[in-house]
Amino acid sequence: EVYLLESGGGLVQPGGSLRLLCAASGFTFNNYVMNWVRQAPGKGLEWVSSIAEYDGRTFYADSVKGRFTISRDNPKSTLYLQLNSLRGQDTAVYYCTRRASGWGAFDLWGQGTKVTVSS
Amino acid sequence: EIVLTQSPATLSLSPGERATLSCRASQNIDFYLAWYQQKVGQAPRLLIYDAFNRATDIPARFSGSGSGTDFTLTISSLEPEDFAVYYCQQRRSWPLTFGQGTRLEIK
Repeated sequence: EVYLLESGGGLVQPGGSLRLLCAASGFTFNNYVMNWVRQAPGKGLEWVSSIAEYDGRTFYADSVKGRFTISRDNPKSTLYLQLNSLRGQDTAVYYCTRRASGWGAFDLWGQGTKVTVSS
Repeated sequence: EIVLTQSPATLSLSPGERATLSCRASQNIDFYLAWYQQKVGQAPRLLIYDAFNRATDIPARFSGSGSGTDFTLTISSLEPEDFAVYYCQQRRSWPLTFGQGTRLEIK
């Protein structure tokens, strides 16, 4: 079965850190660009970050650049997102997503992990 | 940054009716547009990619059209399970961006 399973979300104080994980299964992980997309409560979707399949090039939204770090472990089929210097506006459900071949659309989504930044 | 503007914000229709959702880009994105469906409490699901290609297992009642700056998602005859929020998304350039969504509700 093909799926993505996120973990690592939780409640953290402003200025704190968190590490999200996404375990991939059922497909050849290192053949795909992987991403994080988030959704604040009651709001729309926001792309956060992407990492290339082979050379590990990374891309970030301006809202998280310098605070978040995306990485991947291809042998373990796992995607990570390190969240530092967290702010209230980072509160959201974070989805791990796969891009279709050739840097295409987000064709596979995890169920999401919730991050709440609050004192 | 490419801004995607979806209209209408909310669309109220009855099962069996035809739904037409619009997405307009602030600049040319060729055909690099996708549509997603999100039901309450669920992750989004890819419906259409590259403007008019249906994703795997998506029913034929969903169709996409357009290129450049104006795009349309059409649902030919609404089924009860189609009432949800729909987002468009462009992959023409970084940062990747989404529209604000259209809520399709039962009339």
